[in-house]
Amino acid sequence: GAVVSQHPSRVICKSGTSVKIECRSLDFQATTMFWYRQFPKQSLMLMATSNEGSKATYEQGVEKDKFLINHASLTLSTLTVTSAHPEDSSFYICSAQSGVNTEAFFGQGTRLTVV
Amino acid sequence: GDSVTQMEGPVTLSEEAFLTINCTYTATGYPSLFWYVQYPGEGLQLLLKATKADDKGSNKGFEATYRKETTSFHLEKGSVQVSDSAVYFCVRGVAGGTSYGKLTFGQGTILTVHP
Repeated sequence: GAVVSQHPSRVICKSGTSVKIECRSLDFQATTMFWYRQFPKQSLMLMATSNEGSKATYEQGVEKDKFLINHASLTLSTLTVTSAHPEDSSFYICSAQSGVNTEAFFGQGTRLTVV
Repeated sequence: GDSVTQMEGPVTLSEEAFLTINCTYTATGYPSLFWYVQYPGEGLQLLLKATKADDKGSNKGFEATYRKETTSFHLEKGSVQVSDSAVYFCVRGVAGGTSYGKLTFGQGTILTVHP
């Protein structure tokens, strides 16, 4: 299958700082990318959907100003957690698909720890 | 809203045992249904899918049938192997549009297979 690379795989940051997570489709053009969050021992929760060149669509309850999503090219989407706090510590996973009704491929996730 | 409920784990089996992981979903429209698998240290991978009622998805000896009347999509395998040890997620897509990308996950079931 196609490859989606997420970077970094782990990051520790201080409370109040911002951290950026990258999601790249390595061998296909991703018209749509999705960002999920997974709390310990819980399922993945969709945070937002991003289409290349347009604003992301956020799920209910997700703060747009805290979780900034940019999808500036067909192979890269970024999630920036702004002014991070310990409660933002979580596992963040992206997925990407090349078109409507095509399989979505997942990155390996980023473990964010805010101290 | 859309939801998926799957059998709680962990599930521990001996090699060559029969596996069933139950999954039910809320029936809003006609969603596509999936099973994703996450092997230790790896990202999520699509295991199988079914896009309409009575479809049977199959892959690597695993099967699941889209049952509209019972809103279920149970995962089965006749003879598990140690290499099947992983976390299994039952997943539904939204009806229509990006139904393969915008996904609602079950809570995941940890499967451990012993020799």
